[in-house]
Amino acid sequence: DAKTTQPPSMDCAEGRAANLPCNHSTISGNEYVYWYRQIHSQGPQYIIHGLKNNETNEMASLIITEDRKSSTLILPHATLRDTAVYYCIVRLRDNYGQNFVFGPGTRLSVLP
Amino acid sequence: DARVTQTPRHKVTEMGQEVTMRCQPILGHNTVFWYRQTMMQGLELLAYFRNRAPLDDSGMPKDRFSAEMPDATLATLKIQPSEPRDSAVYFCASGQTGTGEHEQFFGPGTRLTVL
Repeated sequence: DAKTTQPPSMDCAEGRAANLPCNHSTISGNEYVYWYRQIHSQGPQYIIHGLKNNETNEMASLIITEDRKSSTLILPHATLRDTAVYYCIVRLRDNYGQNFVFGPGTRLSVLP
Repeated sequence: DARVTQTPRHKVTEMGQEVTMRCQPILGHNTVFWYRQTMMQGLELLAYFRNRAPLDDSGMPKDRFSAEMPDATLATLKIQPSEPRDSAVYFCASGQTGTGEHEQFFGPGTRLTVL
């Protein structure tokens, strides 16, 4: 699986949009981009995934560049409960349910 | 709502003792994963089952760790004998192959302390 690079930490003001970047310059055409987050003392939680188009769900938006070498997770109106470690993962597209390889992620602190 | 459950949530034991952690995957899920999380190493995969068959346990110290799925509703991770370096949070996750393969559902974890 391609490796990802994320900033180790970021701050965001409550109510503002949080934009979390991820570089995955060696991503291949059949690898998806996934975002998970881990709130303190809890298990990781799925947020969103995408292949090449931008995606949006009730939690976040995922913007993938045209060359697919980087992406941004957007939390449109961050709340204190969004304080967590956010993991960007790229994984081969298959239907066999492989595991995710978690890196160090970005520690997002939402400040009041 | 459906969720992965893990027991015990906390375990303190002495070096050399056997530890067994249990996981109940979400009903209908056919993949189960065991991850371990420490401050130093982050989240690491220990073992992975699909349809109850072990597919990958390369992340697991074979001499002391064992993982099994006696049935579709129970996965176990056993450490014998335990060592202080095994202190970590152990997460179980389950998922579904095919259309559901994008999302894994994680349990709350078992926090293990080996003295």
